[in-house]
Amino acid sequence: QSVLTQPPSVSAAPGQKVTISCSGSSSNIGTKYVSWYQQFPGTAPKLLIYDNNKRPSGIPDRFSGSKSGTSATLGITGLQTGDEADYYCGTWDNSLSGWVFGGGTKLTVL
Amino acid sequence: EVQLVESGGGLVKSGGSLRLSCAASGFTFSSYSMNWVRQAPGKGLEWVSSISTVGNYIYYADSVRGRFTISRDNVKNSLHLQMNSLRAEDTAVYYCARGFGQILDYWGQGALVTVSS
Repeated sequence: QSVLTQPPSVSAAPGQKVTISCSGSSSNIGTKYVSWYQQFPGTAPKLLIYDNNKRPSGIPDRFSGSKSGTSATLGITGLQTGDEADYYCGTWDNSLSGWVFGGGTKLTVL
Repeated sequence: EVQLVESGGGLVKSGGSLRLSCAASGFTFSSYSMNWVRQAPGKGLEWVSSISTVGNYIYYADSVRGRFTISRDNVKNSLHLQMNSLRAEDTAVYYCARGFGQILDYWGQGALVTVSS
């Protein structure tokens, strides 16, 4: 049972838009920045979004992030088959004094 | 270029010990906190432990506290995880990750630890 809650899977057609939600509490998302990680099978996670809505160098602007209260959202527009991956939200939890992650969302581009 | 390379993974019997290492290069190692995050087969990410820049702040997940010890060597630019009293549920790929603010911005390729019962 993950501290942060994500849908197990989402799907959409190529070219469409998808959003992935991440729900937490006041001890984590409510008071901390959220980051998002992309992971392809057999590879390490890669930072996709940090500080709620910032993109590292090299991440296309098709990827966006937002936060409101104790929830965060990852948005992906102009879906490509190469976006098929697992996506995780993460943040620091003040009560647990540690990092917490969502259970991961598998994106399928139909 | 930032590089994190884990080593020391392998097969160990339940109750045994293993020491993971993470060799860092391409950045000023002593300026960043470091972390271990694991992923059991087919499962999601689970944070294991964090250590501050000079090692004065150390945090552990409840699942490993008392059994695992994180440490770092800022001269040799290396991060370590000593894992004792290993259990089957510790079987996972262990990633070292660089911490920057509230971000895990670079991750190693991972080291597989398999605990046999």
